[in-house]
Amino acid sequence: GAVVSQHPSRVICKSGTSVKIECRSLDFQATTMFWYRQFPKKSLMLMATSNEGSKATYEQGVEKDKFLINHASLTLSTLTVTSAHPEDSSFYICSARDPYSYEQYFGPGTRLTVT
Amino acid sequence: QKEVEQDPGPLSVPEGAIVSLNCTYSNSAFQYFMWYRQYSRKGPELLMYTYSSGNKEDGRFTAQVDKSSKYISLFIRDSQPSDSATYLCAMTGGAQKLVFGQGTRLTINP
Repeated sequence: GAVVSQHPSRVICKSGTSVKIECRSLDFQATTMFWYRQFPKKSLMLMATSNEGSKATYEQGVEKDKFLINHASLTLSTLTVTSAHPEDSSFYICSARDPYSYEQYFGPGTRLTVT
Repeated sequence: QKEVEQDPGPLSVPEGAIVSLNCTYSNSAFQYFMWYRQYSRKGPELLMYTYSSGNKEDGRFTAQVDKSSKYISLFIRDSQPSDSATYLCAMTGGAQKLVFGQGTRLTINP
């Protein structure tokens, strides 16, 4: 299957700082990428849809000013958690959608811990 | 009622058994169906992808889609302890977001 990379795999930051997570589609050009959040033993919660060259579409209840998404190229989307707080600690996962088959491939995830 | 229903389990079977995982859905517009395997603290891995109705086989895995009943299945033959994971069904009508089931936690006992 296609490869999607995510960096960093884990990050610890202090409350009030910002953290950037990168998601790269290595095998195909992804016009659409997605950002999810996952709590322990729960299913994936879609946060936003990242569209190359345009603004991201956020799900209801997700603060767009807190979770900044940039999709500047067909292979890279970034999620920046601004002014992070302990409640933002979670497992963040990105995915890239094949524009022809609609198959969606996930990255390995980033574990964020805010102290 | 959720758009996609999946029994969360947990499901525990002995090694070598045939495992059957299922999802039902309510949206008749869904045409693309996927099964993912997720190990603890890892991102989901795409196992099977099926377009519309029918069966698809890949090694020990078989995916079935019955659009008339709005029911999809994943069968695992000769199950191995390494198959122990959470299995997620997911589906979409196309250029929309994926809708996931709740995930089934599966344990294969040696």
